[in-house]
Amino acid sequence: EAQVTQNPRYLITVTGKKLTVTCSQNMNHEYMSWYRQDPGLGLRQIYYSMNVEVTDKGDVPEGYKVSRKEKRNFPLILESPSPNQTSLYFCASSFREYNSPLHFGNGTRLTVT
Amino acid sequence: DQQVKQNSPSLSVQEGRISILNCDYTNSMFDYFLWYKKYPAEGPTFLISISSIKDKNEDGRFTVFLNKSAKHLSLHIVPSQPGDSAVYFCGGGGATNKLIFGTGTLLAVQP
Repeated sequence: EAQVTQNPRYLITVTGKKLTVTCSQNMNHEYMSWYRQDPGLGLRQIYYSMNVEVTDKGDVPEGYKVSRKEKRNFPLILESPSPNQTSLYFCASSFREYNSPLHFGNGTRLTVT
Repeated sequence: DQQVKQNSPSLSVQEGRISILNCDYTNSMFDYFLWYKKYPAEGPTFLISISSIKDKNEDGRFTVFLNKSAKHLSLHIVPSQPGDSAVYFCGGGGATNKLIFGTGTLLAVQP
C-alpha cells in the first residue's frame, strides 16, 4: 500500500530536549515536505526537499532541521524544542513539487512543556 | 501576507443539499489549485485539482470552479453526505511559487 508513515503519532516532551520525528514514504517520490497545522493558521510549510541531499526552508523553518540522506526518509529534528513548537505536524511527499498532489502522513501531535 | 484565504471557518449543510466551500487567492502567478479533505486524526487527502487554463473540473459529486478574474475558487459537493464532514483545505501554487494552503473550512453535514 502506498503510504507516508510518520512516527511517533503523539509526543510529549520538555523544553530543550532534542527530538526527532521520522517520516518514510514507499512511493519513490522525489519531493518531500514537512508542515505544521495550528488553529486559525492552516498548514504551513516548515522545510522541503526536492531530492536526496537537497533541502530548503519553507515558511516557518526556525527551530527545525531536516535531512534527506535517502530518498524514502525525511526526518524532522527539533534540536531544542520550545513551547511554541507545540503543534500538529504532517509529513508529505509527491512525485514532484509542481502541480503534483501531496500524500500526507497521519500526523504527529507534539506537546512541549 | 495570506496568499490563500478561506474566510469561512465552518459551514453546516443538510444531507442531500449542496455544500459550497470558497477560497480566495491574491497571487496572480498561481496556475494550479488543489483541494484536500482532512478527517480528525488523519492526514489531509487529495480531493480534486484545477489548472488555471480551465474554469471547471468535475469528479463525481465534487466540482471545482475557478474564476481567475476574481481570484476565487469554490468547491461544490452535490449531494452532500454525512461522510463528507471534514476540514477542507484549498491550496494554490505555480511554476515559480510553492503550494500555499488556506486556513481550512470545517464542513458539517447534518443527517
